[in-house]
Amino acid sequence: QVQLVESGGGVVQPGRSLRLSCAASGFIFSSYGMHWVRQAPGKGLEWVAVIWYDGSNKYYGDSVKGRFTISRDNSKNTLYLQTNSLRAEDTAVYYCARVKGSAETAPFDYWGQGTLVTVSS
Amino acid sequence: SYVLTQPPSVSMAPGKTARITCGGNNIGSQSVHWYQQKPGQAPVLVIFYDSDRPSGIPERFSGSNSGNTATLTISRVGAGDEADYYCQVWDSSSDHWVFGGGTKLTVL
Repeated sequence: QVQLVESGGGVVQPGRSLRLSCAASGFIFSSYGMHWVRQAPGKGLEWVAVIWYDGSNKYYGDSVKGRFTISRDNSKNTLYLQTNSLRAEDTAVYYCARVKGSAETAPFDYWGQGTLVTVSS
Repeated sequence: SYVLTQPPSVSMAPGKTARITCGGNNIGSQSVHWYQQKPGQAPVLVIFYDSDRPSGIPERFSGSNSGNTATLTISRVGAGDEADYYCQVWDSSSDHWVFGGGTKLTVL
């Protein structure tokens, strides 16, 4: 069965960095695009970034562009999100999610359980 | 960027039909997906491409999309349907994936 397991969250001071990971299993990871989506405490879902199945294309939400970097290692079945220059407003649960199919219009069909990032001094 | 507007809350008596709307400019020309999120859990896809249901999602869940409004319909609602529901589209003009603000469904 499809499994996505995030890790790497924690408490970090403003301005510092964290690298989040998402370990995938139960499907051919190298055939699927992947997203990061976050949710601030008590708030709604916010799309963060996407990477194509082969890493050829990457797009970012306006609030993280220039600070966050999405990447993947298909040999390790793992998705990453490098988060730099963290701000208090980046505090959220970060989810990885798989793209159902290959089109930009495709939905997110599987989600991990999330990893909490808290930015605080 | 493209904006999706959802009512913050919808309440319905058990056994009745709940309708959750998602408004957007000419959203009828977009592919809309719906996610259910229960407290402390990850979102779950319940409707994709406007009206398709993933395997394992009850037939009570259906969707439609036309004009400036997409609608998620849940018939015969029960306590197990209490959750936050989010609509989502891809905005081709910005290459951004967009979520609505979410609607909290309460079963009275």
